[in-house]
Formats: sequence, structure tokens, C-alpha cells
Amino acid sequence: GAGVSQTPSNKVTEKGKYVELRCDPISGHTALYWYRQSLGQGPEFLIYFQGTGAADDSGLPNDRFFAVRPEGSVSTLKIQRTERGDSAVYLCASSSVGDTQYFGPGTRLTVL
Amino acid sequence: AQSVAQPEDQVNVAEGNPLTVKCTYSVSGNPYLFWYVQYPNRGLQFLLKYITGDNLVKGSYGFEAEFNKSQTSFHLKKPSALVSDSALYFCAVRPPGGSYIPTFGRGTSLIVHP
Repeated sequence: GAGVSQTPSNKVTEKGKYVELRCDPISGHTALYWYRQSLGQGPEFLIYFQGTGAADDSGLPNDRFFAVRPEGSVSTLKIQRTERGDSAVYLCASSSVGDTQYFGPGTRLTVL
Repeated sequence: AQSVAQPEDQVNVAEGNPLTVKCTYSVSGNPYLFWYVQYPNRGLQFLLKYITGDNLVKGSYGFEAEFNKSQTSFHLKKPSALVSDSALYFCAVRPPGGSYIPTFGRGTSLIVHP
């Protein structure tokens, strides 16, 4: 079956701009996670959705970062007033509750 | 708080030789442990997990991992390495409940030489 998909695969933006990153989870997975991966590091947790609600957003670094999942399927990570330090690969994962997470290919964000 | 340590940034092994990628962890309660592999410009692919039961867990692509509670370790192993195994390997740990959020190690780059 189809895995987790993420769009775009690459995004280049200028400092101060707004970006949206999209994640399409595996069908039927109610849990969805966003991570950020910097070069030479493991994935760093950002936010976890169970259904439509953000069950844990403790990993969001500041209020410029926001994510939604309005219908309990597709999720969008939104970053306002981007900064060069936001440059990273943003990974999305989905799972059945409490089960193994399956990752998408990631979106590489570059802020110039 | 939970944590994972992957003490080696890089592991080099010759094709056909056995490989080990090390992982130690710290977590409250019984750990859920995972190994993922990441190829260049790709997301993480699940290899195997330990939840309970046998300490030796078998996973994808001939990989296995041994859970050692007393040493709080979960080393990844393969009896005979392939050049195509060259990739980044991440160990992760999470507690059995809560929000199921794993903590990942920094990753180990495995290089298999022909």
C-alpha cells in the first residue's frame, strides 16, 4: 500500500517568508508526528496529533511554528517569518496508536 | 527523561564480515526500542523493534538486534554485511505509554567496503 507522502520534496524560501509543508499519512493511521532533522542529527520531535487534535506540541521551538490536521488525515506544518536556522529536513511519520511509526521521505527546507 | 546514545559516529566494515552498530538507552519503565535506517535523501525506514519477549529480535534485510536489560543496550547486528547496507542507522527509545514519542540517537554512519 501507499506509504507516507510529503510535499514538496524541496522548498527554498527567503528569510521572513511563510511556508507550508504537507504530510499525507498512511490510510487508517490516526497518529501523526512531525520531526525536524538537522545535518548530522537524529530526528527531533515537534508535534504529535491523535486524530484532529494536537496531543503533544511540546517540541515546537517557538510560536512561529504551527501545525494543523483538520480532518484527521492530512497535516500541514506552517512556519511564519522563516529564519535561516529553520533550514532542515522536516519529516512526517504516522502510526496506529502506540504502534511503529512509518516515515515519509521528508521535505528539505532551505531558508536563504 | 529518556535518552539514547549511539557512541560511534561511523562504523567501517568489509563486505561479508559481521557488523555491529551500538546503542544504549535510558528510560523509565520497560523500554520500547527501535532501529531505523536512512539512505541518502530519503526518510527513515523501519528495521525492527523490541517491545517484550525474546531478547534477540529479527528484522528486515537480515538485521537483528539484541536487547540487554542489565547493560541497557540494544545493539544492531548482521552476520554478513553488504555494500548496499551502507547508510545511516538510528536507534530510538520510548516508554510504553504516554504520547508514544520516541527519542532518537544522533545516528551512526555504516560504511561497508567492497
